[in-house]
Amino acid sequence: GAVVSQHPSWVICKSGTSVKIECRSLDFQATTMFWYRQFPKQSLMLMATSNEGSKATYEQGVEKDKFLINHASLTLSTLTVTSAHPEDSSFYICSARDPGQGRQETQYFGPGTRLLVL
Amino acid sequence: LAKTTQPISMDSYEGQEVNITCSHNNIATNDYITWYQQFPSQGPRFIIQGYKTKVTNEVASLFIPADRKSSTLSLPRVSLSDTAVYYCLVEIPGTYKYIFGTGTRLKVLA
Repeated sequence: GAVVSQHPSWVICKSGTSVKIECRSLDFQATTMFWYRQFPKQSLMLMATSNEGSKATYEQGVEKDKFLINHASLTLSTLTVTSAHPEDSSFYICSARDPGQGRQETQYFGPGTRLLVL
Repeated sequence: LAKTTQPISMDSYEGQEVNITCSHNNIATNDYITWYQQFPSQGPRFIIQGYKTKVTNEVASLFIPADRKSSTLSLPRVSLSDTAVYYCLVEIPGTYKYIFGTGTRLKVLA
């Protein structure tokens, strides 16, 4: 199957700093990537859809000025958590949509990034 | 909305076959059903995808009835390492987006 990577795998930062997380599709081109957040023992929550060459679209309740998304190429999307606070501590997961053949598009997920804000 | 409903948890014993059923009453005509497995502190891993009838790969089978309003993931002869959360997902029509439900927390016992 297709491979999606994330970097870093974990990060600890001080409150008020900004953190950038990278998501890369390694063996396919992804015009659409997604960013999710997952709290312990909970399901994944979609934060935003990242479209190559255009602005991201955010889900209701997600602050676009706080979670900056850039999708500058067909294999890279970045999520920047600006002015991070302890409540932003979470597990952030990206996925990339592999167009596949015909209608059989499939999303492949990255390994996740654990963010801890002190 | 493409909402899915699954049992929240299941227990099984090693070597047994496990069937997890998901209902997706509002699935769109052209959409596929995709199942993922997630271990703690990892991203979801693709298991299997199907559109209708039966699909089988090296790790699982997927059964989809004619009305496509549900699907069943079948894991043959589970082992302890199959303990994980399993999600069935269908896209929100026209958006490519998934909305995750609760998933099914499978616990395999020795």
